[in-house]
Amino acid sequence: NAGVTQTPKFRILKIGQSMTLQCAQDMNHNYMYWYRQDPGMGLKLIYYSVGAGITDKGEVPNGYNVSRSTTEDFPLRLELAAPSQTSVYFCASSYGLAGGPGFTDTQYFGPGTRLTVL
Amino acid sequence: KNEVEQSPQNLTAQEGEFITINCSYSVGISALHWLQQHPGGGIVSLFMLSSGKKKHGRLIATINIQEKHSSLHITASHPRDSAVYICAVRRTGNQFYFGTGTSLTVIP
Repeated sequence: NAGVTQTPKFRILKIGQSMTLQCAQDMNHNYMYWYRQDPGMGLKLIYYSVGAGITDKGEVPNGYNVSRSTTEDFPLRLELAAPSQTSVYFCASSYGLAGGPGFTDTQYFGPGTRLTVL
Repeated sequence: KNEVEQSPQNLTAQEGEFITINCSYSVGISALHWLQQHPGGGIVSLFMLSSGKKKHGRLIATINIQEKHSSLHITASHPRDSAVYICAVRRTGNQFYFGTGTSLTVIP
């Protein structure tokens, strides 16, 4: 299993450009998450998904969009990039069927994407 | 004020020492997680707790729900334990809140 993969590893954008951060998992996990990590700050949840076709906002969703057309993929779209979006972005997934047998929301993280907006 | 506070922010220990990292939270939670972030940036989940205590190798995690407090202990610390340790809480629903992390350096 590859686990959670993210592409690209690094990217530099100019203000106003758009891009999509890719995330894929091969563990058949229901839940997927996007976080950003700013220096000296805790991880902040941007968006999450509890299954294909279902997404919801996290703590800091402004400036981002997501879609979940398959169980495996959860891309994060940045429209009109701004310097405030300079950060390290982590995708994570978990099995997470709350209350079901074998319930666990242990999260498996991707390696991260370091994004700089200039 | 953050929903999740960790202490200390930075910790330096000699190899072999017993280490304690603390996490306090101010909201109702359904579970608490301890994560380890390696110097290269990768993040690994160590424990998920909703009550009591869990042990994995030299790592022990405890939680006191009434006091809204959790501790992560490392026994017989080793330089390879050097990392940032992050506490995260899961509120009802699917929202996670993270502490800013404790940076641990273990000196040989």
